[in-house]
Amino acid sequence: NAGVTQTPKFQVLKTGQSMTLQCAQDMNHNSMYWYRQDPGMGLRLIYYSASEGTTDKGEVPNGYNVSRLNKREFSLRLESAAPSQTSVYFCASRRGPTYNEQFFGPGTRLTVL
Amino acid sequence: TQLLEQSPQFLSIQEGENLTVYCNSSSVFSSLQWYRQEPGEGPVLLVTVVTGGEVKKLKRLTFQFGDARKDSSLHITAAQPGDTGLYLCAGSGDSWGKLQFGAGTQVVVTP
Repeated sequence: NAGVTQTPKFQVLKTGQSMTLQCAQDMNHNSMYWYRQDPGMGLRLIYYSASEGTTDKGEVPNGYNVSRLNKREFSLRLESAAPSQTSVYFCASRRGPTYNEQFFGPGTRLTVL
Repeated sequence: TQLLEQSPQFLSIQEGENLTVYCNSSSVFSSLQWYRQEPGEGPVLLVTVVTGGEVKKLKRLTFQFGDARKDSSLHITAAQPGDTGLYLCAGSGDSWGKLQFGAGTQVVVTP
């Protein structure tokens, strides 16, 4: 089992460019999450998907869109990147409502110039 | 928005010493989790506490959930260099699994 995988690991964008961060899990988990981590601020929830076919906003959704492509995959899209979106992005998954543990991917380090 | 405050932000200690990290909030959480994160990796769960007053032990790590389910602490006994990392507390208040993270405590244990 690979667990949660994320691509790419690193990315540099210019302001205004778009890109999609990919996330996949092979644990048959129902729920998936996207977080961003900034120095001194911990992890903040961007979007989540409680189950296949549903998505909802988290704490900091502005400037992002998501797609739950199927049960395995949950992608995060930046339509017009801004320097404020420079961050490390983590995808996570959870088995379901009665399970607390979230399993995190290795992260994508994004720099927007 | 529920806020979780961790203290201290940074701890540097010698091998063999003890340390305590605190996680405080003005809000009640249905459960609280502690994660450890190493550079270049995602957080990894250490423990989940769900009952007020609960104490859990994992080898040299002791986790406590406050009686009112608003605060928690992590105590490490006889710290080792392998305990070095960023310790994050995270609270959950709903069944969707949405987590509110603290800013983290960077622990450095030197030989």
